[in-house]
Amino acid sequence: GESVGLHLPTLSVQEGDNSIINCAYSNSASDYFIWYKQESGKGPQFIIDIRSNMDKRQGQRVTVLLNKTVKHLSLQIAATQPGDSAVYFCAEKVGRALTFGSGTRLQVQP
Amino acid sequence: EAGVAQSPRYKIIEKRQSVAFWCNPISGHATLYWYQQILGQGPKLLIQFQNNGVVDDSQLPKDRFSAERLKGVDSTLKIQPAKLEDSAVYLCASSLVGGGPSETQYFGPGTRLLVL
Repeated sequence: GESVGLHLPTLSVQEGDNSIINCAYSNSASDYFIWYKQESGKGPQFIIDIRSNMDKRQGQRVTVLLNKTVKHLSLQIAATQPGDSAVYFCAEKVGRALTFGSGTRLQVQP
Repeated sequence: EAGVAQSPRYKIIEKRQSVAFWCNPISGHATLYWYQQILGQGPKLLIQFQNNGVVDDSQLPKDRFSAERLKGVDSTLKIQPAKLEDSAVYLCASSLVGGGPSETQYFGPGTRLLVL
């Protein structure tokens, strides 16, 4: 398949371990923060979002943490599986505008 | 429910040629977006439509890029003439209503453009 990005930061984890992907954002006025997963040759796929007035939100096997003091967002994936291998993007939304950050490649080792 | 459809999936052209991409959003979605994703970067918004009207085209290079959504459903994005730096994946996305802060955008598979 196609490579989404050749020189992205890479996080390599063992299958079954927990993964933590980090993101720094810049706009204090952002209303929502969203995590997207992008597999090779595919478009970004919504994972989870969090409103700016929250600091934690949980989904199925995923948790997003928001620290507005230091403008930091993280995505935690529990019991990482081979199917989780992809590039992960954080994005911030101000009104209608969605701005993507740089991605992180997650490699899951069997 | 069918997702966002895009065609073609791949296109190779020479610089100064023209090219067009097509997108069919999820049925019933009022808002449609075109993004450009350069290798190794996150997608960057080019233009946003709500129904058949343009909401935001501030980052669209209007000297060479144009887009339309005449009937408020499918959309075309055109580049004329293409430059080497236009090589990228062009992603179409749609959302249900007005594209507000809490509204999820759903992406198509993209069209990979290579300009030689």
